[in-house]
Amino acid sequence: GNSVTQMEGPVTLSEEAFLTINCTYTATGYPSLFWYVQYPGEGLQLLLKATKADDKGSNKGFEATYRKETTSFHLEKGSVQVSDSAVYFCALVSSGGSYIPTFGRGTSLIVHP
Amino acid sequence: EAGVTQFPSHSVIEKGQTVTLRCDPISGHDNLYWYRRVMGKEIKFLLHFVKESKQDESGMPNNRFLAERTGGTYSTLKVQPAELEDSGVYFCASSQTSGRARSGELFFGEGSRLTVL
Repeated sequence: GNSVTQMEGPVTLSEEAFLTINCTYTATGYPSLFWYVQYPGEGLQLLLKATKADDKGSNKGFEATYRKETTSFHLEKGSVQVSDSAVYFCALVSSGGSYIPTFGRGTSLIVHP
Repeated sequence: EAGVTQFPSHSVIEKGQTVTLRCDPISGHDNLYWYRRVMGKEIKFLLHFVKESKQDESGMPNNRFLAERTGGTYSTLKVQPAELEDSGVYFCASSQTSGRARSGELFFGEGSRLTVL
């Protein structure tokens, strides 16, 4: 079956530090890959996505590249801000059959001033 | 436009009691999903409605869980009787179509936190 593995958190950084949150996946076929973010007191929202190998998704300074050879979709940001403090979820949707997204466990990011 | 709303935001009950969670999707969204996140673990799929019909309920853990979506509008998720392992955050999400969900256009509520003592 499909699965998503994320690094355990929390990840604690100082403002302007470089961020990487690792995500690897197991899926049949060619899934679409997503990062969702949940800010405090809010629901999850789509941050970025990539639908095929070597695609790079980007939004709000965050980037992730779909790496089929390593089955990975690591999230990166060059300079984090306090406002980036949130929980980040990696997710996938299979290329065939069910359209139900499969999520990882989430990684909490805490950014200190 | 109102987003996905869930009620209650937090519920604390004793083992053996009943709890009903409610989700109001975005107006016009035929697809409604329930997910659950147990502390620190994956967000796990529970079930998927298309309008009032259960499209996929493969994630429902057991028959203590009952989900309904009367008239294809809001949905309720009842847990009866609640057990300790049911504690977690229950998320509801909606999308206009299944295809849009596949594209990531899934809109989530803030979640209902359930604590079973």
